[in-house]
Amino acid sequence: AQTVTQSQPEMSVQEAETVTLSCTYDTSESDYYLFWYKQPPSRQMILVIRQEAYKQQNATENRFSVNFQKAAKSFSLKISDSQLGDAAMYFCAYRRDAGANSKLTFGKGITLSVRP
Amino acid sequence: DAGVTQSPTHLIKTRGQHVTLRCSPISGHKSVSWYQQVLGQGPQFIFQYYEKEERGRGNFPDRFSARQFPNYSSELNVNALLLGDSALYLCASSSDRGRWETQYFGPGTRLLVL
Repeated sequence: AQTVTQSQPEMSVQEAETVTLSCTYDTSESDYYLFWYKQPPSRQMILVIRQEAYKQQNATENRFSVNFQKAAKSFSLKISDSQLGDAAMYFCAYRRDAGANSKLTFGKGITLSVRP
Repeated sequence: DAGVTQSPTHLIKTRGQHVTLRCSPISGHKSVSWYQQVLGQGPQFIFQYYEKEERGRGNFPDRFSARQFPNYSSELNVNALLLGDSALYLCASSSDRGRWETQYFGPGTRLLVL
């Protein structure tokens, strides 16, 4: 079974600084997808960024980028120029290749606070 | 376009009761998934439906059931409620267009079982 591990329960960053959130996963599949979701206090889960396992190039979405290390099964999220609105819980999620069951497997999440 | 909507937003029930949660997917999305999120944890997969058929089921007891209607909306039913069923129930929809299928989440229904 696939597992996703987020070992840091909480992190804090100064506004305008950069922070990296860690995630590791375990799978025997060779083709899969990885996601970072953000859940602010309003609780709506929002997709931040996604990565296909077969792509070596790291995904980037504006201030958000990932460091995908397939051999190490590591998928960290870097937030640059942190803003107060980035404060939220962040979940790393795994999905095997689209097919009969494309369920997401989530980590426990990390609470990010942003200091003004 | 409207996002995924869920109703009700909050619900209080007592042990042994039954509850029905509802979800309307994004227009054009044919797949709906349900997740349970206990406080302080990541969401856990319960069900996925596509074109009214169950496509996947997580490790939940038979007290949990779901269905999808012709308009692709969905209901999650939980019978014989237990205190441990207290959680945020999230619905997610996707267009199921192959490899880049992405699930979009609704705001959730907060269920409290007393």
